[in-house]
Amino acid sequence: ELKVEQNPLFLSMQEGKNYTIYCNYSTTSDRLYWYRQDPGKSLESLFVLLSNGAVKQEGRLMASLDTKARLSTLHITAAVHDLSATYFCAVGSRLTFGEGTQLTVNP
Amino acid sequence: EAGVAQSPRYKIIEKRQSVAFWCNPISGHATLYWYQQILGQGPKLLIQFQNNGVVDDSQLPKDRFSAERLKGVDSTLKIQPAKLEDSAVYLCASSLRDRGLLVGTQYFGPGTRLLVL
Repeated sequence: ELKVEQNPLFLSMQEGKNYTIYCNYSTTSDRLYWYRQDPGKSLESLFVLLSNGAVKQEGRLMASLDTKARLSTLHITAAVHDLSATYFCAVGSRLTFGEGTQLTVNP
Repeated sequence: EAGVAQSPRYKIIEKRQSVAFWCNPISGHATLYWYQQILGQGPKLLIQFQNNGVVDDSQLPKDRFSAERLKGVDSTLKIQPAKLEDSAVYLCASSLRDRGLLVGTQYFGPGTRLLVL
């Protein structure tokens, strides 16, 4: 059974700082997704990573995938308050989700 | 382009009652998914349709949950009878296709919040 673990689960950071969210998964998979969810809202797709070494960037967020290590990272550069949300990674065709990382960016 | 539509947005029922949720995917999207998201957790896939056929329903509690996608467009998810632990947000998502590596982005609807008392 595929297990997906994210860490940290809670992250409080200051504006302007950098940080990384990690997503580990237990079995080989050919695809990994990152989503954002604002409180009371649905999920918004951020990135789709389909190959080893894939790197995608959008604004202050950059996601990468290492299929050999079964690890994906979501790097936040110079955080701003608008990035406060819960971030989920999801793995595989069945989209097994991690527990989510609740990010709070403080002024 | 219109997004994934779901209704109702909120539903409160008593345990042992029945409830149904409706989803209309983005036009042209062949693949449709239903997820259950319990508060504080990530979504869990309940069932996946490709057109009007079921691709994966391994995590659907079939003794009480059922889903259909007649004509390969709209879908309904039903719970009968509901239990307290069914309280969650039920999310519908759709994507253009899901064949091997050629998978596209999933677009999620706003969800239906169910509270079972």
